[in-house]
Amino acid sequence: ILNVEQSPQSLHVQEGDSTNFTCSFPSSNFYALHWYRWETAKSPEALFVMTLNGDEKKKGRISATLNTKEGYSYLYIKGSQPEDSATYLCAFSNQAGTALIFGKGTTLSVSS
Amino acid sequence: NAGVMQNPRHLVRRRGQEARLRCSPMKGHSHVYWYRQLPEEGLKFMVYLQKENIIDESGMPKERFSAEFPKEGPSILRIQQVVRGDSAAYFCASSPELYNSPLHFGNGTRLTVT
Repeated sequence: ILNVEQSPQSLHVQEGDSTNFTCSFPSSNFYALHWYRWETAKSPEALFVMTLNGDEKKKGRISATLNTKEGYSYLYIKGSQPEDSATYLCAFSNQAGTALIFGKGTTLSVSS
Repeated sequence: NAGVMQNPRHLVRRRGQEARLRCSPMKGHSHVYWYRQLPEEGLKFMVYLQKENIIDESGMPKERFSAEFPKEGPSILRIQQVVRGDSAAYFCASSPELYNSPLHFGNGTRLTVT
């Protein structure tokens, strides 16, 4: 059974703070790692898809890194804003032709 | 370009009834995934389908649950003889191709079994 772990479970920061979350996944047979952002009352929205060890992706103030050898990915948010408040999900697949397995997410709350 | 459409948004069923959840993928997407979110849990994979084929149903309960994605029309997740434990939010996602494509999610169907 594939296990994707995310930490912390929840996080509360002040506006302007930078923060990061961790996603851990099995390091053997890696295929792809996805990050999604899930706002309340909306559907999950894709942020990044990463496939290569050492991948770094960036979208505005949000960036992500990937280490497939040790089985972890970090998501960074620089200068958090209240609109960044959401649950951030990572999802992993270990081979082509299989579905993504999601972690339980990290819920971020940013107060002004 | 319409996104992934799920209906109904809310569905109430009495124990023993059948529930049918529909999902129309984004235009041009031929891969459909169903996920279930139980209270206090994350998204749990249920089934992955391509047109007319079930590719991976390793997350589907062995009984009462079935899924299809016919050549024409939406994908259907069917739950027979619902029980209270089936109450959850069911999300559908689609993608244009498997390899390295992000999933596009619908808004989900919240099933309540009374």
